[in-house]
Amino acid sequence: KAGVTQTPRYLIKTRGQQVTLSCSPISGHRSVSWYQQTPGQGLQFLFEYFSETQRNKGNFPGRFSGRQFSNSRSEMNVSTLELGDSALYLCATTTLAGSTDTQYFGPGTRLTVL
Amino acid sequence: EDQVTQSPEALRLQEGESSSLNCSYTVSGLRGLFWYRQDPGKGPEFLFTLYSAGEEKEKERLKATLTKKESFLHITAPKPEDSATYLCALGGGSQGNLIFGKGTKLSVKP
Repeated sequence: KAGVTQTPRYLIKTRGQQVTLSCSPISGHRSVSWYQQTPGQGLQFLFEYFSETQRNKGNFPGRFSGRQFSNSRSEMNVSTLELGDSALYLCATTTLAGSTDTQYFGPGTRLTVL
Repeated sequence: EDQVTQSPEALRLQEGESSSLNCSYTVSGLRGLFWYRQDPGKGPEFLFTLYSAGEEKEKERLKATLTKKESFLHITAPKPEDSATYLCALGGGSQGNLIFGKGTKLSVKP
């Protein structure tokens, strides 16, 4: 069974630009959660999508947004990039919404903002 | 407020030297305690899920245990390939998300 895939793996952008990251879940997984990982803050929850609907959202500004498609693939978008947005962005997928089921992570997208 | 604290932040062991990593937590309603391993530049790799106090799970040299306030990840006779950051996460966050600790960076020297 193929694992969670994320594209691209690396991105370099400049301040003010926007970026779109993609996550394809494990087959049969319908819930996709996004996390930001930085050395100082660790892993922080961005949002969760299930059945094309955002179920939950973490404490991030509105510049961070996402969506989910009918095939459960998800994208997240960050507009007006800031230096502090440099991080490893991880998506995690599970069969059902909520966190009682194990979430499986992708390899991440390393975003560098210059 | 739901919270997870991992200790120590870093741990250096000699190959074969057993030890334990600690994960202390406070949560209003536990919906799973998860352990992950993360290698540099990679996504977290799932290790264990524990749901109730007294539960234990094992995988090769790793054993995870759970009490009402803590979880321990015991590493028996570690090898250099066990070097990684070990993350503990709570299920049941107020937003239905996982709440992660900052991790313990384990280094095992040959």
